[in-house]
Amino acid sequence: DAKTTQPPSMDCAEGRAANLPCNHSTISGNEYVYWYRQIHSQGPQYIIHGLKNNETNEMASLIITEDRKSSTLILPHATLRDTAVYYCIVPRPLTGGGNKLTFGTGTQLKVEL
Amino acid sequence: GEEVAQTPKHLVRGEGQKAKLYCAPIKGHSYVFWYQQVLKNEFKFLISFQNENVFDETGMPKERFSAKCLPNSPCSLEIQATKLEDSAVYFCASSQSTHISGNTIYFGEGSWLTVV
Repeated sequence: DAKTTQPPSMDCAEGRAANLPCNHSTISGNEYVYWYRQIHSQGPQYIIHGLKNNETNEMASLIITEDRKSSTLILPHATLRDTAVYYCIVPRPLTGGGNKLTFGTGTQLKVEL
Repeated sequence: GEEVAQTPKHLVRGEGQKAKLYCAPIKGHSYVFWYQQVLKNEFKFLISFQNENVFDETGMPKERFSAKCLPNSPCSLEIQATKLEDSAVYFCASSQSTHISGNTIYFGEGSWLTVV
C-alpha cells in the first residue's frame, strides 16, 4: 500500500469540527484513499473513500488536495462517540486483481466536553 | 446477512490447545479477509479468499494456522497448538471484490482469543 502519514493523536471539543489530516505523497493516479475508524477494540468501521473529488456522506467529508498527495477527513460536529483511532489507507491494486487494506498506526482522536 | 458475523466473541484456550474461529461474510460478498490485532496494535493481514479459493496467504504463519472457506458454510480460521503470543483479536472482513478501488471492505466485530 502507498505509505500514509498521520499525526498520532488529536483532541477536539464536542460539537466542533474534527479535521484529521493524512499525507500520501506516493499515491498513484488510480489509487483511492480510504478512511476507517476503530472505536475501542470493535471492528474497524468504514467511513468514506474517494479518488479525486471531495466526497461527503452521512458520517463525514473527505477533502483530497488537487495533487492528491494529502487528504483531510472532516467530522463536522464531533461527539464523544467519535472518540476512536482513525486510519487513512491507500490500498494498492495488484496486477491480476485484488489487494488488501494495510493499516498503519492511525490517529487517536479524543473528543472532549 | 447484512453484516459480517464472527463467532465466538470470546475464546479462552490453554497453551497447546486448538482454537477455531468462524466468520459468515455479508451475503453476496465473494471475498473474505482475516486480520490479527494484538493488544490494540497494528493490524496484521493473515489471509484472503475468493469464494472457497485462497487468494492471498502471505500473512499466514503456516506452521500452526490454517483457514478455509467452504461452500454453504462459515469460513474458519484454526490455530493448532496455540501459544501465548496468539492472544489477539481476530477480525474477519468481506467485500464484493478484492479489487478495492471503489469497493469497500466491511469488518466483523472480532473474536477475542486469550491463550493462558
